[in-house]
Amino acid sequence: DGGITQSPKYLFRKEGQNVTLSCEQNLNHDAMYWYRQDPGQGLRLIYYSQIVNDFQKGDIAEGYSVSREKKESFPLTVTSAQKNPTAFYLCASSLRGTSYEQYFGPGTRLTVT
Amino acid sequence: AQKITQTQPGMFVQEKEAVTLDCTYDTSDQSYGLFWYKQPSSGEMIFLIYQGSYDEQNATEGRYSLNFQKARKSANLVISASQLGDSAMYFCAMRETRAGGTSYGKLTFGQGTILTVHP
Repeated sequence: DGGITQSPKYLFRKEGQNVTLSCEQNLNHDAMYWYRQDPGQGLRLIYYSQIVNDFQKGDIAEGYSVSREKKESFPLTVTSAQKNPTAFYLCASSLRGTSYEQYFGPGTRLTVT
Repeated sequence: AQKITQTQPGMFVQEKEAVTLDCTYDTSDQSYGLFWYKQPSSGEMIFLIYQGSYDEQNATEGRYSLNFQKARKSANLVISASQLGDSAMYFCAMRETRAGGTSYGKLTFGQGTILTVHP
């Protein structure tokens, strides 16, 4: 089945530790995205990538880093510099083009204490 | 800058009735795309319907239709014959379509509307 996988579903970390969230897609999509969702809120864009080896900052990139070494993979690292990292993180992918919808993964719920 | 506004934090509807979820947007782009997503309590985002700014007909997908009024910058979602499984958070989103630039292809989301369907 084609789709987007994110693992793990739930992740717990101590404050001050970096943590990497995985996102893999087998939809052959060029574009991939990372969003953050806080309780009762909409999604905010962290980073996005339109093509391998290239990515752009979104609206709330501070404290996060990404890489795009392979078309299928777009891991997100939440660094210790992120002041409030506890949130629900969603990865998405799409074909390149203005009318194509983004397909979302199941999300990772990160809790930092 | 783009902005999406969903003014209804929560909506209630009786099963089998129709409901309209409001969405207004603000953009200086002439070409853009509007999307509606459903987010059940599990957290996944499910694509429902798309409307292009140059599309003359309102989009429809099964029980979902989009009431697109370009001059008023509104893109309301209409769900007909509501089902208990429609209870979820619904998000309106807009996509920039300017070629080039760092914002190409990104989606801007509204705050969402929680829909509750009563039996």
